[in-house]
Amino acid sequence: DGGITQSPKYLFRKEGQNVTLSCEQNLNHDAMYWYRQDPGQGLRLIYYSQIVNDFQKGDIAEGYSVSREKKESFPLTVTSAQKNPTAFYLCASSMRGSDNYGYTFGSGTRLTVV
Amino acid sequence: GQNIDQPTEMTATEGAIVQINCTYQTSGFNGLFWYQQHAGEAPTFLSYNVLDGLEEKGRFSSFLSRSKGYSYLLLKELQMKDSASYLCAVRYTNAGKSTFGDGTTLTVKP
Repeated sequence: DGGITQSPKYLFRKEGQNVTLSCEQNLNHDAMYWYRQDPGQGLRLIYYSQIVNDFQKGDIAEGYSVSREKKESFPLTVTSAQKNPTAFYLCASSMRGSDNYGYTFGSGTRLTVV
Repeated sequence: GQNIDQPTEMTATEGAIVQINCTYQTSGFNGLFWYQQHAGEAPTFLSYNVLDGLEEKGRFSSFLSRSKGYSYLLLKELQMKDSASYLCAVRYTNAGKSTFGDGTTLTVKP
């Protein structure tokens, strides 16, 4: 079955450490997105990519980086410059031209700074 | 930014009907989505509106008025499993990305 897979499910980061969150999809979707969710709040856009080898900053890109070398993969790196990284991170994908189906989300990665 | 406003919390009784409202800035509007999110899980897509009117999908319906910048999600015959957060999301221009509201936490009581 097609889907979008995020790993790991839980991640612990030490102060000053960079960590990378994985996101892989086999839905043949063109566009991929990274959102961050804090408790009791909605989703805020970090980065998005509509085609391979191209991506754009979202509303809260500072302290994060991404790459889109393959259509199936859109990893997110949380750098030491991100001062408050503890949150629930959601990766999503969508097919351009099929807007009425919305996003397909991965199951999320819960990142905690220790 | 494009403020999207929805009530923080709502409570309803099993078997009843509940309406969750969402208002948004109309400039650049290019589609509105509703998602359901159970605690600790990822959101799942419920509905999409881009033209005025009502879209019905079983127990769930979504309404849009573009001129008023207003949408609602209507849930009928409420079940306990409908207890969740409901997120309103708006796509502006044709950029593909969506802006989310903070969500409405719905509690269904027996």
